[in-house]
Amino acid sequence: NAGVTQTPKFQVLKTGQSMTLQCAQDMNHEYMSWYRQDPGMGLRLIHYSVGAGITDQGEVPNGYNVSRSTTEDFPLRLLSAAPSQTSVYFCASSPRQGKNYGYTFGSGTRLTVV
Amino acid sequence: AQSVTQPDIHITVSEGASLELRCNYSYGATPYLFWYVQSPGQGLQLLLKYFSGDTLVQGIKGFEAEFKRSQSSFNLRKPSVHWSDAAEYFCAVGLLSGGYNKLIFGAGTRLAVHP
Repeated sequence: NAGVTQTPKFQVLKTGQSMTLQCAQDMNHEYMSWYRQDPGMGLRLIHYSVGAGITDQGEVPNGYNVSRSTTEDFPLRLLSAAPSQTSVYFCASSPRQGKNYGYTFGSGTRLTVV
Repeated sequence: AQSVTQPDIHITVSEGASLELRCNYSYGATPYLFWYVQSPGQGLQLLLKYFSGDTLVQGIKGFEAEFKRSQSSFNLRKPSVHWSDAAEYFCAVGLLSGGYNKLIFGAGTRLAVHP
């Protein structure tokens, strides 16, 4: 059982480039979300999804797009990378409700924009 | 607005000493409450969670946390710290918003353990 898998683990982009961060989970979780982690700020929610075909914005959505065509996958797209998007990105998934509710996190993608 | 406060940015304890990490939240109702741990270069691992019922919650790695409604707190404790507990600890609140339970995180507390 792999849990939440994120690729790549590290990435360096030039300003203006675009890229997609991949996230896949094999636990059949309805909820998936993307966070960014910056020093001293904890984790901030970028986008989230409550199921296939349904996505919404979190606290810091600008500059990012998401889609969710399957239950398993939730890619995050950077449209035109900026230095302010240098961060560590985490994908997480959770069952919708019940005693098992609670997010499982991937190991992260460390992104540097130069 | 809902928020989570972890007052201590850094804490240093000696191995074998007891530990308490503080967490306060601002939310109108009783939220879902979580503690996560992050080792360097790793993702976040769930230590424990509180939904309802008994206010003292047991987690993995010998951690426990107590929910105190009157103080809006959910402090994490461990009676005897091990060197391997050195990591960053995040408190989080699960809030129902627009039909979605999303997590709001505190800024984290970095724990150092002296031998």
